[in-house]
Amino acid sequence: DGGITQSPKYLFRKEGQNVTLSCEQNLNHDAMYWYRQDPGQGLRLIYYSQIVNDFQKGDIAEGYSVSREKKESFPLTVTSAQKNPTAFYLCASSIVSGGTRYEQYFGPGTRLTVT
Amino acid sequence: QQQVKQSPQSLIVQKGGISIINCAYENTAFDYFPWYQQFPGKGPALLIAIRPDVSEKKEGRFTISFNKSAKQFSLHIMDSQPGDSATYFCAASIGGSYIPTFGRGTSLIVHP
Repeated sequence: DGGITQSPKYLFRKEGQNVTLSCEQNLNHDAMYWYRQDPGQGLRLIYYSQIVNDFQKGDIAEGYSVSREKKESFPLTVTSAQKNPTAFYLCASSIVSGGTRYEQYFGPGTRLTVT
Repeated sequence: QQQVKQSPQSLIVQKGGISIINCAYENTAFDYFPWYQQFPGKGPALLIAIRPDVSEKKEGRFTISFNKSAKQFSLHIMDSQPGDSATYFCAASIGGSYIPTFGRGTSLIVHP
């Protein structure tokens, strides 16, 4: 049963605390992505990674950090520097092969609430 | 800047009606146009996609119409059902790139 898992589904933190969101995929996909979703704003790219130990900033990387130590895992840390961290966070993955585009597969998301 | 503009932001349709969502893009280098469907509390899932070498693609009740000269594409949902109630995102990407640019989404409600 292949897919992308994100945990936890709901996460609550106090302001000033760092928090790490988990993303695991067993699809053997090369590329992984993190998006932030806010009402009326669509999906905004935070970070993406094409291969292990390499990742690039997306459009809204400030206040976030990632790592890609394993092909299957791409955790996202929301740091205390992120001014407005409360949002729905989506992880995605896709095949990368010879520059051909393939669809992105999304996980179920983690809703983070910071108070 | 918003490279893919999606409208309307919200849409209410009666059961059996046609739902139409429009997207316009600016970058003529875009050459892959997927649509994603997202149910509340879930991640988006690919619904249907089109490349600019065709003007229309149909899968069941879902049809993409593509107008290359106008740089516009739209999603038509025929015989809309309450189960179609979801948020729909259009997207566009450039050859060789696997980072799509998303529209802001359309919240569709289909009344029974």
